[in-house]
Amino acid sequence: NAGVTQTPKFRVLKTGQSMTLLCAQDMNHEYMYWYRQDPGMGLRLIHYSVGEGTTAKGEVPDGYNVSRLKKQNFLLGLESAAPSQTSVYFCASRGGTLNTEAFFGQGTRLTVV
Amino acid sequence: GNSVTQMEGPVTLSEEAFLTINCTYTATGYPSLFWYVQYPGEGLQLLLKATKADDKGSNKGFEATYRKETTSFHLEKGSVQVSDSAVYFCALSEVNAGKSTFGDGTTLTVKP
Repeated sequence: NAGVTQTPKFRVLKTGQSMTLLCAQDMNHEYMYWYRQDPGMGLRLIHYSVGEGTTAKGEVPDGYNVSRLKKQNFLLGLESAAPSQTSVYFCASRGGTLNTEAFFGQGTRLTVV
Repeated sequence: GNSVTQMEGPVTLSEEAFLTINCTYTATGYPSLFWYVQYPGEGLQLLLKATKADDKGSNKGFEATYRKETTSFHLEKGSVQVSDSAVYFCALSEVNAGKSTFGDGTTLTVKP
């Protein structure tokens, strides 16, 4: 029973490099989310998806792109990493409209130097 | 829009002390309310929830009651343990809404 799986768990990037974070869920959930967590800032929503093929912007979308080509996967891309994107990234998923509990992955710790 | 305001931390308690972490919310509809817990180095996990007014959620000795009249969902535990040290997040979700709303989190440290 894997739940929500994020890869990688840790990554160090140089400024200007690109990377993709992968989130996979095996619960057939409709909704998926990408958050970042910074000290003293709580969770901030980057992008989210309410179904396969759909994406929407959250509170802090700049510098990130996402794709939801398959229902079980939600990818977060950084095209040109900046030190301000150093953070811990969490993916979450939630069932349909009647299932409002969110399930979180273990997080990806990203450092941009 | 929706919002969640929770008690600022950090909170430091001695083992066996009583815990209250306050949470109030504003919502346009009839939300479900949640408390999530995040242990060091891990993701958030559901601690308890309540889906309608006057419901009480409980788990692992923690309790919270959905109070519509005061728009609150305060977390309580009668006797905390060192293992309860974590960050606690209050959150709400609405049926038919795509996004959840989280509070900023409250860090609890329990000392032996």
